[in-house]
Amino acid sequence: GAVVSQHPSWVICKSGTSVKIECRSLDFQATTMFWYRQFPKQSLMLMATSNEGSKATYEQGVEKDKFLINHASLTLSTLTVTSAHPEDSSFYICSVAHLNEQFFGPGTRLTVL
Amino acid sequence: AQSVTQPDIHITVSEGASLELRCNYSYGATPYLFWYVQSPGQGLQLLLKYFSGDTLVQGIKGFEAEFKRSQSSFNLRKPSVHWSDAAEYFCAVGESSGGGADGLTFGKGTHLIIQP
Repeated sequence: GAVVSQHPSWVICKSGTSVKIECRSLDFQATTMFWYRQFPKQSLMLMATSNEGSKATYEQGVEKDKFLINHASLTLSTLTVTSAHPEDSSFYICSVAHLNEQFFGPGTRLTVL
Repeated sequence: AQSVTQPDIHITVSEGASLELRCNYSYGATPYLFWYVQSPGQGLQLLLKYFSGDTLVQGIKGFEAEFKRSQSSFNLRKPSVHWSDAAEYFCAVGESSGGGADGLTFGKGTHLIIQP
């Protein structure tokens, strides 16, 4: 299967700052990547679909100006949480679509103080 | 809109005993169904998937699942659990095979605890 990495694995930031999370496809070129958010003890919620070279498609209720997604290359998608607030604290997980499956990264734990 | 229900938040099973995790879905067309396992510090790992054909699908680590259209269910089973099976299990449904442009809709997960 495909190998997906995320960086950082965890981050703590102050309220009002911006945080960038990277998702990398290590062994193949990913046209489509997905970003999910997981609250403690809860399910994964799809935030957006990231397509290389085009604008991301956001799910209903997800603020595109708050969660900036850039998929500038076939191996890298980034999620930037702008002006983060405590309610943005969560576990962010990316996945890549490959061979009729989705392969998930290990996730990034964001804590906003 | 599609949805997935996992009725059991926690399940405790003795090591060596059989296991069944329940999953019900709501989707208007033929669903594409998945079971994933999430262990602490690790990404979600695909256990098995159903797209079409034989309704009993075999997966990794000795897991299997049965698709029952009449019951809108896709329950995960294992005949004998091991302590290493303790983890969070998620059922998910997709509008496509997942390799396309659609994200997945996940259930809330079932936390599996293994008793020695």
